[in-house]
Formats: sequence, structure tokens, C-alpha cells
Amino acid sequence: EIVLTQSPGTLSLSPGERATLSCRASQSVSSSYLAWYQQKPGQAPRLLIYGASSRATGIPDRFSGSGSGTDFTLTISRLEPEDFAVYYCQQYGSSHGMAFGQGTKVEIK
Amino acid sequence: QVQLVQSGAEVKKPGASVKVSCKASGYTFTSYGISWVRQAPGQGLEWMGWISAYNGNTNYAQKLQGRVTMTTDTSTSTAYMELRSLRSDDTAVYYCASGGFLRALDYWGQGTLVTVSS
Repeated sequence: EIVLTQSPGTLSLSPGERATLSCRASQSVSSSYLAWYQQKPGQAPRLLIYGASSRATGIPDRFSGSGSGTDFTLTISRLEPEDFAVYYCQQYGSSHGMAFGQGTKVEIK
Repeated sequence: QVQLVQSGAEVKKPGASVKVSCKASGYTFTSYGISWVRQAPGQGLEWMGWISAYNGNTNYAQKLQGRVTMTTDTSTSTAYMELRSLRSDDTAVYYCASGGFLRALDYWGQGTLVTVSS
């Protein structure tokens, strides 16, 4: 079973700043089956990135994903007010099922 | 447009069962699987399992094996998740989402709050 560890737990930034979120897997994630989701309070998660670096439909280009193997990164180039939320990474594409990281909260400084 | 509409909130006693439905529209139901994810109050996301809407194959999280059953009704494009022997720590919002296995979860239901309390 793959375990995903996200860091930091909380990121305090101001609008306009760059956010860099990390997701580390306990073993290699096959074929970059790594996704990122955004969740705001009281809402369902929203898919941002799949395949480690492909943006989902309608996702602004200030969101980008990178990485391979065991180390992945979500970057928000310039934070907008609506980007303050919790972000989860997720591994899929395994016969053992899926796993989520514990989340990173991006809060207003 | 793709929509997943879930059934309403439930309150159950410990030891009971709950069955949550998820009705899909806006795409060919049998083209993708349905995954179930839950979120306890103030906690993160927990993957529960996945079912192929094409052939009914399932893959459940190990910790829920024996207590959870996922099914689909292709005639109504509806997926179901039944959880048995409910405990207080099963209190959570339960989400269905399209995708799973080789596909990220691209569309989500609105969530169903299940409260387990005596």
C-alpha cells in the first residue's frame, strides 16, 4: 500500500504570492498516476491536476503540477483569493486501490 | 453536463446499515467506474473503494473489507454504496465520484452526511 505524505501541513501566504506544495510517496507511483484536488469548506473536492502534470478541464494555468517517481509538486504561480483552500494529492492506477495524502491547507497570511 | 446526484442525509444507530445512492447523468454511465470517498468531520479524504460500471468489478479498501458493498444499476445509471455494522467513527460525509483505477476522480457528487449515533 502506497502512503502519501504532504508538506507542509499549513502554508500561510498572501494573495499574489507563489505556493509550492509537496507530495511524497512511500514507493514509486506508476506512470505518474498522481492527481491533485482542491477542497473548500462545505464543498466536494475538485480535480485540478491528473497524470502528475495535466490540468483538468477549466483549471486556470496558474496551477501546475510536476514530478515523477516518489516526489511530486503542485505550484500555484500567483495566489488568487479563491485559491485559499485545502489541497490533497492522490495516487491512483494501482491494483491495490487509491490513496490520498493528508492535505495541505493554504491560508491567508 | 456531467452530474452526480447523491441521496440525502442519514442518521443511523450503531450496528445498523446504510445505503447511499449516486445517480449519474450527462455521460455514458458504463464508460467509467465510480469511486466512493468519505471524510470524517474535520478530517481528510479516505478512499473506500471503486466499482466498474461496465462489468461490476470491485476493489475495496482493506480496512472496510467485509463491511462495504458497492453495486450499480445500469438501467438507471445509479451507483450504490452499502456500509454495514455501523460504528460512531463511520460518521462522515460520503462522496461518489466518477473515475477510479486508471482515471482520476473528475466529477463528484455533492456528498451525503451519514451520522451514526445512539
